[in-house]
Amino acid sequence: KAGVTQTPRYLIKTRGQQVTLSCSPISGHRSVSWYQQTPGQGLQFLFEYFSETQRNKGNFPGRFSGRQFSNSRSEMNVSTLELGDSALYLCASSFKVTGAEAFFGQGTRLTVV
Amino acid sequence: DQQVKQNSPSLSVQEGRISILNCDYTNSMFDYFLWYKKYPAEGPTFLISISSIKDKNEDGRFTVFLNKSAKHLSLHIVPSQPGDSAVYFCAASAGNFNKFYFGSGTKLNVKP
Repeated sequence: KAGVTQTPRYLIKTRGQQVTLSCSPISGHRSVSWYQQTPGQGLQFLFEYFSETQRNKGNFPGRFSGRQFSNSRSEMNVSTLELGDSALYLCASSFKVTGAEAFFGQGTRLTVV
Repeated sequence: DQQVKQNSPSLSVQEGRISILNCDYTNSMFDYFLWYKKYPAEGPTFLISISSIKDKNEDGRFTVFLNKSAKHLSLHIVPSQPGDSAVYFCAASAGNFNKFYFGSGTKLNVKP
């Protein structure tokens, strides 16, 4: 069974640009969550999608958005990039809406210059 | 507001001995707890979980203990192996959501 796949693995963008990250969950998993990992803040929850609906959102500005498609694949978009958005962005999928472990992808390393 | 805390940034243990990693939380609504292992530039790998209705869960060399009254969680690794060297994160969630709050991590070094 394939794991969670995130593309691209690495990305370099210029301040002010926008970026879209992609996540394919484990087959059969309908819950997809996104996290940002930075050295100073650790792993922080961005949002969770289940059956194409955003169920929960973390404390991030509106520049961070996401969506989920009918095949459970998810995308995350960051507009008007800032230097502080440089981070490892991790996607996780779960097969239940609660009380189940989340399986993480390898992440997308975003560098904003 | 850090709701899940790992107060030890690092831990060094001799191969074959027990590793004990600790985690404290403040939110009494947390009802599901997990431990993850992470290598640099990779996503976290799930290790073991426990729900709030239990106080212990075991999986091979890994055992997680939950003390709800103290709001404390610990992971025991016995025996420790050099391949266990990584950063370990505890995480917690509450209610009907897959929103996990992570601790800041403990870097475990198992010396041969």
